[in-house]
Amino acid sequence: EDQVTQSPEALRLQEGESSSLNCSYTVSGLRGLFWYRQDPGKGPEFLFTLYSAGEEKEKERLKATLTKKESFLHITAPKPEDSATYLCAVQDTGRRALTFGSGTRLQVQP
Amino acid sequence: DTAVSQTPKYLVTQMGNDKSIKCEQNLGHDTMYWYKQDSKKFLKIMFSYNNKELIINETVPNRFSPKSPDKAHLNLHINSLELGDSAVYFCASSLQGAHGYTFGSGTRLTVV
Repeated sequence: EDQVTQSPEALRLQEGESSSLNCSYTVSGLRGLFWYRQDPGKGPEFLFTLYSAGEEKEKERLKATLTKKESFLHITAPKPEDSATYLCAVQDTGRRALTFGSGTRLQVQP
Repeated sequence: DTAVSQTPKYLVTQMGNDKSIKCEQNLGHDTMYWYKQDSKKFLKIMFSYNNKELIINETVPNRFSPKSPDKAHLNLHINSLELGDSAVYFCASSLQGAHGYTFGSGTRLTVV
């Protein structure tokens, strides 16, 4: 059974204080690993898809990396508007649906 | 606006009632999904349709019945609502079952 574990559960940063969120996963075959951002009262918003170990993708202050067992979402010099819950999900080669982790709730204080 | 839209956004109802949630996407995607987000924020797949054909039906009580009149619409009907059905239900769509999903803004269902 596919599993996704995210850590930490919650993270509080000062504006400008860089950090990383972790997503550990177990799948029989990885079709893709996805990162989403979810703001309170809204649906998840797609950020990145990573397909193979060693792949990296960047968007503004966010950079996602992938190994065979985990993914990291690096946040460089975060701003208060980066505060949200960040969700990681995997798609197994044998399934169409995504399996989600429970998310990391990030709070960036000015 | 191109989007996945769900109605209603909030739904408060009594135990035993029957209710429906509607979802529409105008992105030209061929696959649509229903996910349930519980109080611990886990998103769990319930159903998926590809071009009006049911392709995923996870272990969900048969009180839940999805209906897809066309590939742009996926509705969720729930019979005999129970307290445990309280959650946020998200509709999503994607192209060819892969790549990033586009999610709706969710329907918060509260059963009292």
